[in-house]
Amino acid sequence: DIQMTQSPSSLSASVGDRVTITCRASQSISSYLNWYQQKPGKAPKLLIYAASSLQSGVPSRFSGSGSGTDFTLTISSLQPEDFATYYCQQSYSTLHTFGQGTKLEIK
Amino acid sequence: QVQLVQSGSELKKPGASVKVSCKASGYTFTSYAMNWVRQAPGQGLEWMGWINTNTGNPTYAQGFTGRFVFSLDTSVSTAYLQISSLKAEDTAVYYCAREWAPTVTTPSAFDIWGQGTMVTVSS
Repeated sequence: DIQMTQSPSSLSASVGDRVTITCRASQSISSYLNWYQQKPGKAPKLLIYAASSLQSGVPSRFSGSGSGTDFTLTISSLQPEDFATYYCQQSYSTLHTFGQGTKLEIK
Repeated sequence: QVQLVQSGSELKKPGASVKVSCKASGYTFTSYAMNWVRQAPGQGLEWMGWINTNTGNPTYAQGFTGRFVFSLDTSVSTAYLQISSLKAEDTAVYYCAREWAPTVTTPSAFDIWGQGTMVTVSS
């Protein structure tokens, strides 16, 4: 199975900060990488698909980049509603796998 | 609107079985695969597998073979997850999620999620 490793596992930041979360795949997955946001008690929400495509309705402060094995999710200017846990997920293999998550907390 | 609505919370004893439902509406059920994702308390997302809604053929992730069964009733646009011989470590929220891709050549993603079903296994 393809392993997905996110870093950091947790991150403290302030409103207005630029934040970057990294996801690394155990083998090349081309651009088959998605990012999700999850708030406590809620289902995950798709933010970015195919590494860099913004899902409809998602604010433009979210962006994704990367291909192969290394990917990043960037939030250009943190808003209060962005404090949540973020997960990457690969869809290269039919056995989809998630990263372990990155919890973004208020500093 | 497009949505997945799951059945309510369950409290079961060890050794029992549970069946979680996921009812789709607002789209053609058989046009999109359905995935299942587990989230244990305080833990991350764990992909359990998926079911082809055209053929009914399921694929299970490692660790979810044997006691876990995915099934469908296409007449009511509903997917099911059944777990047998429940153990305390099966306590988790279970999500269904629609697998979508903008085009046939675009990587897929889970664009619509159910609200989650909490399954608690306790004696």
